[in-house]
Amino acid sequence: RKEVEQDPGPFNVPEGATVAFNCTYSNSASQSFFWYRQDCRKEPKLLMSVYSSGNEDGRFTAQLNRASQYISLLIRDSKLSDSATYLCVVSRGGYQKVTFGTGTKLQVIP
Amino acid sequence: DAMVIQNPRYQVTQFGKPVTLSCSQTLNHNVMYWYQQKSSQAPKLLFHYYDKDFNNEADTPDNFQSRRPNTSFCFLDIRSPGLGDAAMYLCATSSSGSYNEQFFGPGTRLTVL
Repeated sequence: RKEVEQDPGPFNVPEGATVAFNCTYSNSASQSFFWYRQDCRKEPKLLMSVYSSGNEDGRFTAQLNRASQYISLLIRDSKLSDSATYLCVVSRGGYQKVTFGTGTKLQVIP
Repeated sequence: DAMVIQNPRYQVTQFGKPVTLSCSQTLNHNVMYWYQQKSSQAPKLLFHYYDKDFNNEADTPDNFQSRRPNTSFCFLDIRSPGLGDAAMYLCATSSSGSYNEQFFGPGTRLTVL
């Protein structure tokens, strides 16, 4: 089993739709969780950190479920500019090794 | 603006010809990472430095070496590039701490002929 697993997609959604991605992780000692966004042929950029209590930033909501060992990302009112690959990142904490998921590709369609 | 810079952005080399990729940062972060990312795959950690302490991933080939002469700079040396080493190489930095994000440079795209 992979340490971090994501559905690769692609998720093709119309503008204005709500879309959700899940990411499961296998190491129960994982402490830090992030969602990164990566545009085609560009570097990953931090979208959100994921806190135990969940967090929201505008149209984006991230949640952590430690019992079931997954994190989620919800995007409301999808924009064309949201089209990208969303990478789930899990860390055992501090500077220790982080593990990337293979990413979920989102395509928002006009 | 504080940032992570990688040079060159595009590198073409011949099979077996050594190549060096560079990364510099103005964030004053004490941790620096090198990742390899191939098309449609997750970034794969090659190694990281915590200050001057070098940490090699177990499955990183010996063909890949790294140097960190000071806090700001880190180099990736590929001693004998093979066709399978063609990829995007990403440098990232982070501060040590319990809940820290990584900041990525724009990457160097390596082509091996």
